[in-house]
Amino acid sequence: DAGITQSPRHKVTETGTPVTLRCHQTENHRYMYWYRQDPGHGLRLIHYSYGVKDTDKGEVSDGYSVSRSKTEDFLLTLESATSSQTSVYFCATKGAPETYEQYFGPGTRLTVT
Amino acid sequence: EDKVVQSPLSLVVHEGDTVTLNCSYEVTNFRSLLWYKQEKKAPTFLFMLTSSGIEKKSGRLSSILDKKELFSILNITATQTGDSAVYLCAANNNAGNMLTFGGGTRLMVKP
Repeated sequence: DAGITQSPRHKVTETGTPVTLRCHQTENHRYMYWYRQDPGHGLRLIHYSYGVKDTDKGEVSDGYSVSRSKTEDFLLTLESATSSQTSVYFCATKGAPETYEQYFGPGTRLTVT
Repeated sequence: EDKVVQSPLSLVVHEGDTVTLNCSYEVTNFRSLLWYKQEKKAPTFLFMLTSSGIEKKSGRLSSILDKKELFSILNITATQTGDSAVYLCAANNNAGNMLTFGGGTRLMVKP
C-alpha cells in the first residue's frame, strides 16, 4: 500500500556498529513513521515526520535518530546498535492531516549479535 | 500515558465459528479507532471508526465503536482458515497524526 518499500529487508549486524534503515514512498504522503514490533509489545512508535526536515520523537526513541531530506525518503539510524534493538522495523505513511489511516511497508528484520 | 488493550491474547476456533475480538482504549485527544490484520508480513488496514454505534462491515467482518465506554469490537462470522492472523487495534490521537497500538489478538482458525 502507498507504494512503500524498505531496505534492507533483512540485516544482521554486530553490537556497537551503526545501522541505517531506509523507507521510500511514491505517494507523496506528508507523514511518515518508524515503528518497531516485538513479541508482547505490539507496534511501538520510534519517530515520525510531518514534513521534510520536520520530525518528532515517539514512545521508544532512545538510541534512534531519523532524517527526512526529501518527501519520499525517511531514514532511521541506530548510532550504535545494541542487542535490545533486535526487532522488526516497519515504516508507515499517512496522507493529508485530515486522514487517519496509516499504511505500512513490508518491514525490515534486524538482528544485532 | 495513552493505552490500548486487546483481549483475548489468542484464540483458536474451527472453521465456521464466529469470533469477537475486544479492544479498550484510554487515549487523550481521541480521534478514531483503527483495526488492522497482520499475517506474516505488514499490517493491512481493515476499518476505521470515528462515531459510536455505527457498524462498519466488510464481508464477514464487522466492527463497532463505543466512545462512552471506550471500547471497540471486531466480529468475524463464518471464519475461514484464511482469517488466521494477528488482529491489531490502534487508537488515533494528537489531532489524528499518531497511533497507539494494542498488543494484538492472535487468531488461529482450524479446518
